[in-house]
Amino acid sequence: QKEVEQNSGPLSVPEGAIASLNCTYSDRVSQSFFWYRQYSGKSPELIMSIYSNGDKEDGRFTAQLNKASQYVSLLIRDSQPSDSATYLCAVMRAGTALIFGKGTTLSVSS
Amino acid sequence: KAGVTQTPRYLIKTRGQQVTLSCSPISGHRSVSWYQQTPGQGLQFLFEYFSETQRNKGNFPGRFSGRQFSNSRSEMNVSTLELGDSALYLCASSLGTGWNEQYFGPGTRLTVT
Repeated sequence: QKEVEQNSGPLSVPEGAIASLNCTYSDRVSQSFFWYRQYSGKSPELIMSIYSNGDKEDGRFTAQLNKASQYVSLLIRDSQPSDSATYLCAVMRAGTALIFGKGTTLSVSS
Repeated sequence: KAGVTQTPRYLIKTRGQQVTLSCSPISGHRSVSWYQQTPGQGLQFLFEYFSETQRNKGNFPGRFSGRQFSNSRSEMNVSTLELGDSALYLCASSLGTGWNEQYFGPGTRLTVT
């Protein structure tokens, strides 16, 4: 079983729609959860971190965490063509390294 | 505040050679982590340094090594390069180990021929 799993996509949404990106993880003692955005040819950019169960909102982005289900998601409201990128989910257990999923490619069409 | 910097940005090396990559973290950040990114394997953790000590190590052969200096700058070295070492090498800095968010530099694109 892979440690962090994401649907590779591509996930295609029209401009203005909500994009929903999902991630599951296998290590039950994971404590920190992150979403990174990576444009083609660029390095990953941190967009959200979440540590507690529930929702965390930042602008158009909402991260959701459910530790019982070992599930973390990212919602992007009012999606824009500039949101087209690969979104990487990353998970960390205290004192260890970040473990990344392979990423989900999002395509927003205008 | 300046971000993470990495040098060089691009490198072409021949199989069997060795290479050293450099990373300067965000000012005030004391932890530096290194990752290898390839299309097939994605982002894989190499090692993490904090206060000049290696704190964590990924599942890579001993040809991959690193170090950190007292000013938190870090270098990684790959000896006896193989074709499969062609990848984007990313450095990320954070305030400390464990919980903190990591911020990535632009990466070094290494091509081994």
